[in-house]
Amino acid sequence: EADIYQTPRYLVIGTGKKITLECSQTMGHDKMYWYQQDPGMELHLIHYSYGVNSTEKGDLSSESTVSRIRTEHFPLTLESARPSHTSQYLCASSVTGTGGEKLFFGSGTQLSVL
Amino acid sequence: GENVEQHPSTLSVQEGDSAVIKCTYSDSASNYFPWYKQELGKRPQLIIDIRSNVGEKKDQRIAVTLNKTAKHFSLHITETQPEDSAVYFCAALVSGGYNKLIFGAGTRLAVHP
Repeated sequence: EADIYQTPRYLVIGTGKKITLECSQTMGHDKMYWYQQDPGMELHLIHYSYGVNSTEKGDLSSESTVSRIRTEHFPLTLESARPSHTSQYLCASSVTGTGGEKLFFGSGTQLSVL
Repeated sequence: GENVEQHPSTLSVQEGDSAVIKCTYSDSASNYFPWYKQELGKRPQLIIDIRSNVGEKKDQRIAVTLNKTAKHFSLHITETQPEDSAVYFCAALVSGGYNKLIFGAGTRLAVHP
């Protein structure tokens, strides 16, 4: 079934560890995004990509990095995690339809940095 | 920069009542306005959207209205039910080098039985 998948669903790690949050979509979308969201709060765009080898920083400054080597894969990496990185990270992809941009979100990764 | 303001931040209604959430956008070139619903612990999902060439769109109990002159749009939910309880996000499509959706800060709607 075409969908957008994020792993892991939950992650608890210690300060200073390097982590990679995985995001894959099987919908054939060119555009992909990473949002940071505290539970039920505002969606903050931290990275986006409009195609392979294209990545841009979003509106919220983030110490994370992303890569887009394949259309379906958009991983997010934190080189050295800190407690301030504790949050939910939502991946999304979008398709440009008649008149608009429809976003499809993954289920998110809840990250806790101790 | 472009932004979308959303009000109220929280809304509490009795089951059966109507709920209205309002958003204002800054980019006059915006021409697409979706609404997303995020239930507790779940992913945001698109529930309705409207293009700028339409003033109103309805889908069963939900409707969206758009006033391009005033640069604001609203979500209306009639005959609210407990399962309508969620956080609702409005957004506006900003045109530029690449189109990008700008989200409002969200409205937490609670429907009490």
